[in-house]
Amino acid sequence: AQSVSQHNHHVILSEAASLELGCNYSYGGTVNLFWYVQYPGQHLQLLLKYFSGDPLVKGIKGFEAEFIKSKFSFNLRKPSVQWSDTAEYFCAVKGSSNTGKLIFGQGTTLQVKP
Amino acid sequence: GAVVSQHPSWVICKSGTSVKIECRSLDFQATTMFWYRQFPKQSLMLMATSNEGSKATYEQGVEKDKFLINHASLTLSTLTVTSAHPEDSSFYICSASGLAPAGELFFGEGSRLTVL
Repeated sequence: AQSVSQHNHHVILSEAASLELGCNYSYGGTVNLFWYVQYPGQHLQLLLKYFSGDPLVKGIKGFEAEFIKSKFSFNLRKPSVQWSDTAEYFCAVKGSSNTGKLIFGQGTTLQVKP
Repeated sequence: GAVVSQHPSWVICKSGTSVKIECRSLDFQATTMFWYRQFPKQSLMLMATSNEGSKATYEQGVEKDKFLINHASLTLSTLTVTSAHPEDSSFYICSASGLAPAGELFFGEGSRLTVL
């Protein structure tokens, strides 16, 4: 069965610190991978996605993620966080042959201190 | 990006009543819509997948008679929580996918249901 695991449940950083959020998945086939962000009181927004090609994916707001197939990982990174990055981050995976059924990780709460 | 709208954004109801939540794709035709449930401080759990004009496919453990899903048109899906109980209180989120860009999902704002 598909599953997604996010290692960090709650991360606290100071502004300008670097960020890396771990995400590992389990799926027996070709996958599409996503990172979503949910700011307080707002709906989910897509940060970035990987379908194929270059495993280093750049998204919005300076975020990037690297797909490492051998490790079944898709970690999210940002070199320098800002207070406005405080939010909930969700990693998600779907089989590339699926119509769109996403399986989400548990989520990571990021708190950035000014 | 495409817009998906949910209504109502929050609703309070008495135990035993039914509540309907609408999910609309405003500027594209959604061939597939998904309903998720999110408990506080937890992740999104997929409840069901609905394709326009056909019966919804429910995930294991989700009561299809309690959570009625209708996808009558390419722009509207509804979730009806029947005979709601306090344990049904949650944040319900819909997402929709169309033909392009392939595989991309767009999420609604969510609907917070509180059952007294």
